[in-house]
Amino acid sequence: NAGVTQTPKFQVLKTGQSMTLQCAQDMNHEYMSWYRQDPGMGLRLIHYSVGAGITDQGEVPNGYNVSRSTTEDFPLRLLSAAPSQTSVYFCASYPSQARGEAFFGQGTRLTVV
Amino acid sequence: QQQVKQSPQSLIVQKGGISIINCAYENTAFDYFPWYQQFPGKGPALLIAIRPDVSEKKEGRFTISFNKSAKQFSLHIMDSQPGDSATYFCAASDGSGTYKYIFGTGTRLKVLA
Repeated sequence: NAGVTQTPKFQVLKTGQSMTLQCAQDMNHEYMSWYRQDPGMGLRLIHYSVGAGITDQGEVPNGYNVSRSTTEDFPLRLLSAAPSQTSVYFCASYPSQARGEAFFGQGTRLTVV
Repeated sequence: QQQVKQSPQSLIVQKGGISIINCAYENTAFDYFPWYQQFPGKGPALLIAIRPDVSEKKEGRFTISFNKSAKQFSLHIMDSQPGDSATYFCAASDGSGTYKYIFGTGTRLKVLA
């Protein structure tokens, strides 16, 4: 049981490039979310999903796209990377029957130059 | 933006001392208040959580105190240990069922040996 797996762990992009951050969970959780973590700003919600085929925007969605074709996977796409997207990205999943506890991945450290 | 304000930003405590981290919220619809612990290079992990129908919850050396009328809650770490050195985040959820959490900005705790 791996929990929440994020890949890659580190990535450097040039401004304007696109890429996909992968997130997979093997706990059959319905709810999944993407956060970015920046110094002094805590964790900010980018997008979230309440089940396969259903996604919605969080606090800072601009510049990011998501899709949820399966329960297990919730990829985050950067459409055209900007230096402001330099951050640590965390994916989290939540079991619907255990109110509130989020299981986080190890994070992806992204640098946009 | 519905905020959760967390203080202090950083905290240094001697081994055996008490660490206290405070959070305040604005939205009275919040009904779930978890604390997450994050070690360097790792994702946050749930430490302890409380609902507004109780004023205190204790798990080992960790205690949440909750003041509904003041819209404040705090984390107390008794007999602080060097292994408690980590970043702590408070969070709040509004019970909408979408598991959207508003996180505080984090407190970096260092416990001196």
